[in-house]
Amino acid sequence: LAKTTQPISMDSYEGQEVNITCSHNNIATNDYITWYQQFPSQGPRFIIQGYKTKVTNEVASLFIPADRKSSTLSLPRVSLSDTAVYYCLRRGNTPLVFGKGTRLSVIA
Amino acid sequence: GAVVSQHPSWVICKSGTSVKIECRSLDFQATTMFWYRQFPKQSLMLMATSNEGSKATYEQGVEKDKFLINHASLTLSTLTVTSAHPEDSSFYICSARQTAGANVLTFGAGSRLTVL
Repeated sequence: LAKTTQPISMDSYEGQEVNITCSHNNIATNDYITWYQQFPSQGPRFIIQGYKTKVTNEVASLFIPADRKSSTLSLPRVSLSDTAVYYCLRRGNTPLVFGKGTRLSVIA
Repeated sequence: GAVVSQHPSWVICKSGTSVKIECRSLDFQATTMFWYRQFPKQSLMLMATSNEGSKATYEQGVEKDKFLINHASLTLSTLTVTSAHPEDSSFYICSARQTAGANVLTFGAGSRLTVL
């Protein structure tokens, strides 16, 4: 199974930058790193995806070092509405397997 | 962007009855869809891979006779929970992969099943 490891929970104040790191030591050559966000009682929502180096979109940035054994999701200036569970997944040729995710709580 | 629609969003049924949940890809074709189940405070658990025109592939521990999956067209997959029991109460989520572009998996909003 495509396993990843990430912190169970994180707290942050509004307006701060939040960085969530994910470990994927056994990543395969054809795996991409994909991050999803899930609010209670909703399906996961795609945030960002990358293979290596840095990817940025209107929501977040994703940093993947050269060895690709880890990745960091960066959320700039979080707000209360960013409180959610964030999942880091390896996307290859097999179905997406979800780990426990990181429960981010943004505090006013 | 790609949209996956699930129906119903919530359903309550009596123990012993069957419930059908639909998953539709609205603006793209999906030869493969995936069904997940999520219990409160837990992560998503993959139940099965639904393949258009062929039998679904079930994950270990998921009863194929209890969770019937039909993928009759390129835009519709259905999950039928047969003879539902209270322990089947859960949040069921489907997803589909848009093969063009970024090859991202898009999820439906989920269907909450409560079995009384």
